[in-house]
Amino acid sequence: DAGVIQSPRHEVTEMGQEVTLRCKPISGHDYLFWYRQTMMRGLELLIYFNNNVPIDDSGMPEDRFSAKMPNASFSTLKIQPSEPRDSAVYFCASRSSPFLGSASTDTQYFGPGTRLTVL
Amino acid sequence: AQTVTQSQPEMSVQEAETVTLSCTYDTSESDYYLFWYKQPPSRQMILVIRQEAYKQQNATENRFSVNFQKAAKSFSLKISDSQLGDAAMYFCAYRSLQSSNSGYALNFGKGTSLLVTP
Repeated sequence: DAGVIQSPRHEVTEMGQEVTLRCKPISGHDYLFWYRQTMMRGLELLIYFNNNVPIDDSGMPEDRFSAKMPNASFSTLKIQPSEPRDSAVYFCASRSSPFLGSASTDTQYFGPGTRLTVL
Repeated sequence: AQTVTQSQPEMSVQEAETVTLSCTYDTSESDYYLFWYKQPPSRQMILVIRQEAYKQQNATENRFSVNFQKAAKSFSLKISDSQLGDAAMYFCAYRSLQSSNSGYALNFGKGTSLLVTP
């Protein structure tokens, strides 16, 4: 498996523009997470999906952020309109449901991240 | 919500020496997982080591080992025979066993930047 795939790796945009980040989880994984990493706040969970359904979006900073998972192999995180304070690295991660006693399934795999710069 | 604290923003170690990175956490749960992740300049998050709270034995992975003190809620990472390639940000993370707790998401500390000098 190629691992978690994210695109683009780098995005530079101007304030007010729409930004769409993409993620392809590992095949067979039923949990997908979006994290944001900033110097000030570190790594924080934005939203997670289970079986393509958004379960908890309490970490999404405001209504400008939205996320979708139309199928098991694709998710998007959209920011509209973008602001300079949205500049960060956005990570997508996936995992399978844990099975107690099976450590091999209890690993969260991260994509390479998307570095977003909003000017 | 569980909090994870890494009190050392930066650490430095000489090549071939041993270094210990500190991590403490706060939780009311009795069972959980703890992790150390490494983030090199490439930004990729790499799992270094994992510890199940119900296991008393400290986890080890080659040159990496942990000192897990459940009562003290402490989870330090020891890197032996440090190598230049160990230079990176290291994050301590907590994971609940309850799916209702953010779906098994990881709760990260702020990280420790490790510098390895020749």
